Amino acid sequence: GQQLNQSPQSMFIQEGEDVSMNCTSSSIFNTWLWYKQEPGEGPVLLIALYKAGELTSNGRLTAQFGITRKDSFLNISASIPSDVGIYFCAGQLPGSSNTGKLIFGQGTTLQVKP
Amino acid sequence: DTAVSQTPKYLVTQMGNDKSIKCEQNLGHDTMYWYKQDSKKFLKIMFSYNNKELIINETVPNRFSPKSPDKAHLNLHINSLELGDSAVYFCASSQDFGLAGGTGEQFFGPGTRLTVL
Repeated sequence: GQQLNQSPQSMFIQEGEDVSMNCTSSSIFNTWLWYKQEPGEGPVLLIALYKAGELTSNGRLTAQFGITRKDSFLNISASIPSDVGIYFCAGQLPGSSNTGKLIFGQGTTLQVKP
Repeated sequence: DTAVSQTPKYLVTQMGNDKSIKCEQNLGHDTMYWYKQDSKKFLKIMFSYNNKELIINETVPNRFSPKSPDKAHLNLHINSLELGDSAVYFCASSQDFGLAGGTGEQFFGPGTRLTVL
Protein backbone atom coordinates (compact mmCIF):
# COMPACT_ATOMS: atom_id res chain seq x y z
CA GLY A 1 0.00 0.00 0.00
CA GLN A 2 0.91 3.66 -0.07
CA GLN A 3 3.54 4.70 2.44
CA LEU A 4 4.88 7.85 3.94
CA ASN A 5 8.51 7.75 5.02
CA GLN A 6 8.98 9.91 8.07
CA SER A 7 12.36 10.81 9.51
CA PRO A 8 14.05 10.88 11.82
CA GLN A 9 12.49 8.05 13.79
CA SER A 10 13.49 9.67 17.09
CA MET A 11 15.24 12.76 18.39
CA PHE A 12 16.72 13.59 21.77
CA ILE A 13 17.52 17.27 22.04
CA GLN A 14 18.35 19.96 24.54
CA GLU A 15 15.70 22.48 25.56
CA GLY A 16 15.97 25.57 23.39
CA GLU A 17 17.17 23.76 20.28
CA ASP A 18 15.31 23.84 16.99
CA VAL A 19 13.89 20.61 15.56
CA SER A 20 13.18 19.54 12.02
CA MET A 21 11.41 16.44 10.75
CA ASN A 22 10.07 15.48 7.36
CA CYS A 23 7.91 13.09 5.39
CA THR A 24 8.47 11.90 1.87
CA SER A 25 6.59 9.68 -0.51
CA SER A 26 6.85 8.37 -4.03
CA SER A 27 3.22 9.43 -4.52
CA ILE A 28 1.62 12.84 -4.87
CA PHE A 29 -0.57 13.97 -1.99
CA ASN A 30 -3.35 16.56 -2.04
CA THR A 31 -3.12 17.43 1.63
CA TRP A 32 -0.53 17.14 4.37
CA LEU A 33 -1.34 17.17 8.06
CA TRP A 34 0.90 17.16 11.11
CA TYR A 35 -0.30 15.63 14.39
CA LYS A 36 1.22 15.34 17.86
CA GLN A 37 0.47 12.42 20.16
CA GLU A 38 1.26 12.51 23.87
CA PRO A 39 1.42 9.36 26.01
CA GLY A 40 -1.99 7.88 26.68
CA GLU A 41 -3.75 10.33 24.37
CA GLY A 42 -4.97 10.47 20.82
CA PRO A 43 -3.24 12.47 18.07
CA VAL A 44 -3.96 16.19 18.06
CA LEU A 45 -3.87 18.19 14.83
CA LEU A 46 -1.12 20.82 14.76
CA ILE A 47 -1.03 22.12 11.20
CA ALA A 48 -2.93 21.39 7.98
CA LEU A 49 -1.47 22.16 4.53
CA TYR A 50 -3.65 22.27 1.43
CA LYS A 51 -1.56 23.71 -1.41
CA ALA A 52 1.82 22.85 -2.88
CA GLY A 53 4.42 25.31 -1.62
CA GLU A 54 2.23 26.43 1.29
CA LEU A 55 4.13 27.48 4.40
CA THR A 56 2.07 27.67 7.60
CA SER A 57 2.97 28.55 11.16
CA ASN A 58 1.29 27.75 14.46
CA GLY A 59 3.23 29.43 17.25
CA ARG A 60 6.71 27.91 17.32
CA LEU A 61 5.72 25.34 14.71
CA THR A 62 6.19 25.83 10.98
CA ALA A 63 5.28 23.34 8.28
CA GLN A 64 5.57 23.35 4.52
CA PHE A 65 3.85 21.46 1.74
CA GLY A 66 6.57 20.53 -0.76
CA ILE A 67 6.41 21.90 -4.28
CA THR A 68 6.51 18.42 -5.77
CA ARG A 69 3.55 17.46 -3.49
CA LYS A 70 5.56 14.41 -2.43
CA ASP A 71 6.98 15.77 0.80
CA SER A 72 6.42 17.98 3.81
CA PHE A 73 8.50 19.16 6.74
CA LEU A 74 7.75 20.36 10.26
CA ASN A 75 10.04 22.66 12.21
CA ILE A 76 9.81 23.41 15.92
CA SER A 77 11.78 26.40 17.12
CA ALA A 78 13.17 26.91 20.62
CA SER A 79 11.94 23.55 21.92
CA ILE A 80 10.54 23.27 25.44
CA PRO A 81 9.93 20.18 27.62
CA SER A 82 6.21 20.06 26.77
CA ASP A 83 7.09 19.50 23.11
CA VAL A 84 7.80 15.88 24.06
CA GLY A 85 5.66 13.41 22.17
CA ILE A 86 5.32 11.57 18.89
CA TYR A 87 4.82 13.69 15.79
CA PHE A 88 3.02 12.17 12.82
CA CYS A 89 2.67 13.39 9.30
CA ALA A 90 -0.45 12.30 7.46
CA GLY A 91 -1.48 12.76 3.88
CA GLN A 92 -4.49 12.37 1.69
CA LEU A 93 -4.07 10.97 -1.79
CA PRO A 94 -5.94 12.30 -4.81
CA GLY A 95 -9.15 10.33 -5.06
CA SER A 96 -9.46 9.91 -1.30
CA SER A 97 -11.29 13.19 -0.81
CA ASN A 98 -14.61 11.32 -0.89
CA THR A 99 -13.54 8.76 1.70
CA GLY A 100 -11.52 10.77 4.20
CA LYS A 101 -8.73 8.20 4.14
CA LEU A 102 -5.49 9.45 5.66
CA ILE A 103 -2.14 7.70 5.37
CA PHE A 104 0.16 8.19 8.34
CA GLY A 105 3.92 8.29 8.60
CA GLN A 106 5.72 6.11 11.11
CA GLY A 107 6.11 8.96 13.59
CA THR A 108 9.03 10.91 15.05
CA THR A 109 9.51 10.52 18.81
CA LEU A 110 10.82 13.74 20.33
CA GLN A 111 12.44 13.92 23.74
CA VAL A 112 13.57 17.23 25.18
CA LYS A 113 16.14 17.47 27.95
CA PRO A 114 15.55 20.44 30.27
CA ASP B 1 -17.16 18.78 27.26
CA THR B 2 -15.04 16.01 25.68
CA ALA B 3 -15.25 16.14 21.88
CA VAL B 4 -14.57 12.50 21.02
CA SER B 5 -14.86 9.98 23.84
CA GLN B 6 -14.22 6.26 23.94
CA THR B 7 -15.00 3.57 26.49
CA PRO B 8 -13.36 1.70 27.95
CA LYS B 9 -9.90 3.25 28.19
CA TYR B 10 -8.34 -0.15 28.90
CA LEU B 11 -9.63 -3.59 27.96
CA VAL B 12 -7.90 -6.81 29.00
CA THR B 13 -9.46 -10.06 27.83
CA GLN B 14 -8.78 -13.67 26.92
CA MET B 15 -8.32 -15.04 23.42
CA GLY B 16 -11.56 -16.13 21.85
CA ASN B 17 -13.75 -13.65 23.72
CA ASP B 18 -16.03 -11.07 22.08
CA LYS B 19 -15.71 -7.43 23.13
CA SER B 20 -16.99 -4.01 22.14
CA ILE B 21 -15.51 -0.52 22.21
CA LYS B 22 -17.83 2.47 22.18
CA CYS B 23 -17.22 5.87 20.64
CA GLU B 24 -19.23 9.06 20.85
CA GLN B 25 -18.61 12.52 19.43
CA ASN B 26 -20.44 15.68 20.46
CA LEU B 27 -19.05 17.84 17.66
CA GLY B 28 -22.02 17.41 15.36
CA HIS B 29 -19.79 15.74 12.77
CA ASP B 30 -21.14 13.57 9.98
CA THR B 31 -18.11 11.29 9.60
CA MET B 32 -16.47 8.89 12.03
CA TYR B 33 -13.50 6.57 11.82
CA TRP B 34 -11.74 3.70 13.57
CA TYR B 35 -7.95 3.46 13.54
CA LYS B 36 -5.60 0.81 14.90
CA GLN B 37 -2.21 1.77 16.37
CA ASP B 38 0.19 -1.13 16.71
CA SER B 39 3.06 -1.61 19.14
CA LYS B 40 5.37 0.37 16.85
CA LYS B 41 2.92 3.30 16.99
CA PHE B 42 1.92 2.89 13.36
CA LEU B 43 -1.59 4.28 12.75
CA LYS B 44 -3.78 2.64 10.14
CA ILE B 45 -7.37 3.38 9.23
CA MET B 46 -9.80 0.49 9.62
CA PHE B 47 -13.23 1.95 8.87
CA SER B 48 -14.95 5.20 8.06
CA TYR B 49 -18.65 6.00 8.26
CA ASN B 50 -20.53 8.95 6.84
CA ASN B 51 -24.06 9.57 8.06
CA LYS B 52 -24.18 6.01 9.40
CA GLU B 53 -23.10 4.57 6.05
CA LEU B 54 -19.92 2.48 5.75
CA ILE B 55 -17.47 4.17 3.38
CA ILE B 56 -14.09 2.53 4.02
CA ASN B 57 -13.35 -1.02 5.08
CA GLU B 58 -9.60 -1.44 4.87
CA THR B 59 -9.44 -5.20 4.45
CA VAL B 60 -10.13 -5.66 8.12
CA PRO B 61 -11.02 -9.24 9.15
CA ASN B 62 -14.76 -9.72 9.36
CA ARG B 63 -14.35 -10.49 13.07
CA PHE B 64 -14.39 -6.69 13.35
CA SER B 65 -17.86 -5.23 12.89
CA PRO B 66 -18.47 -1.51 13.27
CA LYS B 67 -21.95 -0.30 14.07
CA SER B 68 -23.25 3.23 13.86
CA PRO B 69 -26.64 3.60 15.59
CA ASP B 70 -26.62 7.32 14.82
CA LYS B 71 -24.23 9.99 13.51
CA ALA B 72 -22.78 10.66 16.95
CA HIS B 73 -21.83 7.07 17.72
CA LEU B 74 -19.60 4.48 16.08
CA ASN B 75 -19.02 1.31 18.06
CA LEU B 76 -16.55 -1.44 17.26
CA HIS B 77 -17.38 -5.04 18.04
CA ILE B 78 -14.69 -7.68 17.83
CA ASN B 79 -15.47 -11.40 17.77
CA SER B 80 -13.15 -14.27 18.63
CA LEU B 81 -10.32 -12.05 19.79
CA GLU B 82 -6.79 -13.06 18.79
CA LEU B 83 -3.41 -12.17 20.26
CA GLY B 84 -2.65 -10.01 17.22
CA ASP B 85 -5.64 -7.82 17.97
CA SER B 86 -3.74 -6.31 20.91
CA ALA B 87 -3.28 -2.64 20.05
CA VAL B 88 -4.60 0.82 20.78
CA TYR B 89 -7.82 1.59 18.91
CA PHE B 90 -8.67 5.20 18.16
CA CYS B 91 -11.98 6.64 17.15
CA ALA B 92 -11.98 9.91 15.20
CA SER B 93 -14.52 12.22 13.63
CA SER B 94 -14.64 14.99 11.06
CA GLN B 95 -17.33 17.28 9.70
CA ASP B 96 -17.03 15.60 6.33
CA PHE B 97 -14.36 14.23 3.99
CA GLY B 98 -13.47 17.56 2.40
CA LEU B 99 -9.97 18.24 3.69
CA ALA B 100 -9.42 21.02 1.20
CA GLY B 101 -12.12 23.06 2.86
CA GLY B 102 -10.85 22.36 6.32
CA THR B 103 -13.99 20.48 7.25
CA GLY B 104 -12.37 17.07 6.83
CA GLU B 105 -9.85 17.57 9.61
CA GLN B 106 -10.03 14.58 11.90
CA PHE B 107 -10.32 14.82 15.68
CA PHE B 108 -9.20 11.79 17.63
CA GLY B 109 -10.48 10.24 20.83
CA PRO B 110 -8.16 9.24 23.69
CA GLY B 111 -7.85 5.63 22.55
CA THR B 112 -8.70 2.21 23.96
CA ARG B 113 -5.79 -0.05 24.82
CA LEU B 114 -6.84 -3.62 24.08
CA THR B 115 -4.74 -6.44 25.49
CA VAL B 116 -5.55 -10.00 24.49
CA LEU B 117 -4.03 -12.69 26.70
